Amino acid sequence: AQSVAQPEDQVNVAEGNPLTVKCTYSVSGNPYLFWYVQYPNRGLQFLLKYITGDNLVKGSYGFEAEFNKSQTSFHLKKPSALVSDSALYFCAYGGAAGNKLTFGGGTRVLVKP
Amino acid sequence: DGGITQSPKYLFRKEGQNVTLSCEQNLNHDAMYWYRQDPGQGLRLIYYSQIVNDFQKGDIAEGYSVSREKKESFPLTVTSAQKNPTAFYLCASTPGRLRARNTEAFFGQGTRLTVV
Repeated sequence: AQSVAQPEDQVNVAEGNPLTVKCTYSVSGNPYLFWYVQYPNRGLQFLLKYITGDNLVKGSYGFEAEFNKSQTSFHLKKPSALVSDSALYFCAYGGAAGNKLTFGGGTRVLVKP
Repeated sequence: DGGITQSPKYLFRKEGQNVTLSCEQNLNHDAMYWYRQDPGQGLRLIYYSQIVNDFQKGDIAEGYSVSREKKESFPLTVTSAQKNPTAFYLCASTPGRLRARNTEAFFGQGTRLTVV
């Protein structure tokens, strides 16, 4: 079955340190992959998206993600984390049929001052 | 401003009652979706609609119903058949093609439903 997985339930990082949130995919064909962020009791906000082309995708709020076909990964990265980056992060893929988005389980990021 | 509006923000339901969650978008998007989010879990798809007067079941459709009579509206009814309805419900919409470079899914702010 096609899916995305986020292997870490939570990531803790000190403010100013690099932040990485992991995502792996199991999708046939050419996947299109997304990252979204959710703050408490709010909807999801779009961060970035990969379709085809450059493997390094730059997104909102200083985030970027690297598409790695050989490792079937799409990890989200930020060079220097802020306390305000503390939130729930979701990886998702777009289904081949139609526009249905399927989400990973989410990773909670806690950035400590 | 363009966007998706969900109402109410908080909703309380008694056992055995049906309740309807509203979702309205003025983005002129063709497709709309309902997701359920439980604490510590990801989003699970309940129903989605690609065009007016058509909708498909998602992964957890049992105990829910929807309608899509207008392009801008996609209400979700949580019926008494849904045994564990307490959750956070998110509505989303997408334009015609998510594969296009500059398109994304837009989400509402959510409705928190609690059974009392």
